[in-house]
Amino acid sequence: EPEVTQTPSHQVTQMGQEVILRCVPISNHLYFYWYRQILGQKVEFLVSFYNNEISEKSEIFDDQFSVERPDGSNFTLKIRSTKLEDSAMYFCASSDSDRVSYEQYFGPGTRLTVT
Amino acid sequence: LAKTTQPISMDSYEGQEVNITCSHNNIATNDYITWYQQFPSQGPRFIIQGYKTKVTNEVASLFIPADRKSSTLSLPRVSLSDTAVYYCLVGEVRDDKIIFGKGTRLHILP
Repeated sequence: EPEVTQTPSHQVTQMGQEVILRCVPISNHLYFYWYRQILGQKVEFLVSFYNNEISEKSEIFDDQFSVERPDGSNFTLKIRSTKLEDSAMYFCASSDSDRVSYEQYFGPGTRLTVT
Repeated sequence: LAKTTQPISMDSYEGQEVNITCSHNNIATNDYITWYQQFPSQGPRFIIQGYKTKVTNEVASLFIPADRKSSTLSLPRVSLSDTAVYYCLVGEVRDDKIIFGKGTRLHILP
């Protein structure tokens, strides 16, 4: 069964550093998402991406965040200057263009630790 | 998205059938009911989706009464590996963001 993959599984960085989290969505999917989950809290929507542009973003997704689909397979989330409160699990998800389904496929996540 | 209410936590024993009920009094005509499962330290996983009556797949069944103001996720003969958080989502069928609530933390005991 096709799956979403994410790298790295765990990233440790110092406050103020830039990080790039990488995702490979399912190959025929057209809609891409990033979510995050702070330890012990809810999964929170960050951004959705379609047709090479952001469809929607949450209040969390401020100017420090950016997304990119640099080639036909990768989807990245960049945090320019990390803060302690950015420590969380970051999940990438993708879905296809079948508008009958509300199903998004999530990756295993990247645990980001900012020290 | 329609507001949903589900129990914060539930305990059950291996081999039992578990039913998790979700209330969604303000469900709209175009809304579907979707359930996701999240194991510890993993991403959420789609389990089942329905609009009305009953839907069954290899993982679970979803029961939706005629008024659609609630739904029940039924997990047959649970095992320890079914320990997870289960999220009830109600919204229009479209490729859009998912707004997760706190879900129901299901703990299966031996």
